[in-house]
Amino acid sequence: DAKTTQPTSMDCAEGRAANLPCNHSTISGNEYVYWYRQIHSQGPQYIIHGLKNNETNEMASLIITEDRKSSTLILPHATLRDTAVYYCIVRANTGTASKLTFGTGTRLQVTL
Amino acid sequence: GAVVSQHPSWVICKSGTSVKIECRSLDFQATTMFWYRQFPKQSLMLMATSNEGSKATYEQGVEKDKFLINHASLTLSTLTVTSAHPEDSSFYICSARDIGLFSGANVLTFGAGSRLTVL
Repeated sequence: DAKTTQPTSMDCAEGRAANLPCNHSTISGNEYVYWYRQIHSQGPQYIIHGLKNNETNEMASLIITEDRKSSTLILPHATLRDTAVYYCIVRANTGTASKLTFGTGTRLQVTL
Repeated sequence: GAVVSQHPSWVICKSGTSVKIECRSLDFQATTMFWYRQFPKQSLMLMATSNEGSKATYEQGVEKDKFLINHASLTLSTLTVTSAHPEDSSFYICSARDIGLFSGANVLTFGAGSRLTVL
């Protein structure tokens, strides 16, 4: 699996957009970008995933650069409940269940 | 959406005893489940892949005789920490994939985790 690099921590004011970057310069053509988050003392939660096109759902938007070497997760209006560790994971879709390997992620702190 | 339930959510036990943690997929079937362990201020580390009807696959460095995994049905996997010691105190999390969701995508649903404290 391609390795990802994320900043260790970020702060964001409540109500503002939170932009979380992820570098994955060794990503291969069949690998997707997945984002999960883990709120303190809970299991991880799926947020969004994409291959090369930008994606949006009710939780967030995912912007992937044209060369696919980096991406940004956008939480359009961050709230205090968005405080969590955000994990960017690159993984191929195999058509069957396959394990996810977590890096250290970005600790996002949303403040008043 | 897919829901994965873990039980117990927290457990305290004495050193030398065994503890069983259950992981259930509530509204879908999962032929494969994954067990992770997380120490304080660290990321999730995959321990093993649980396969329904066959032996689990353990990650390098994880003792299979200490962490017994049983996946007897399509909705239940259990992790038993045998002869637990204080260093086994950790947050144990299971996950599974609902193949019906996000067809073709590698999206896992995680349980809420089980916090084990060994005295």
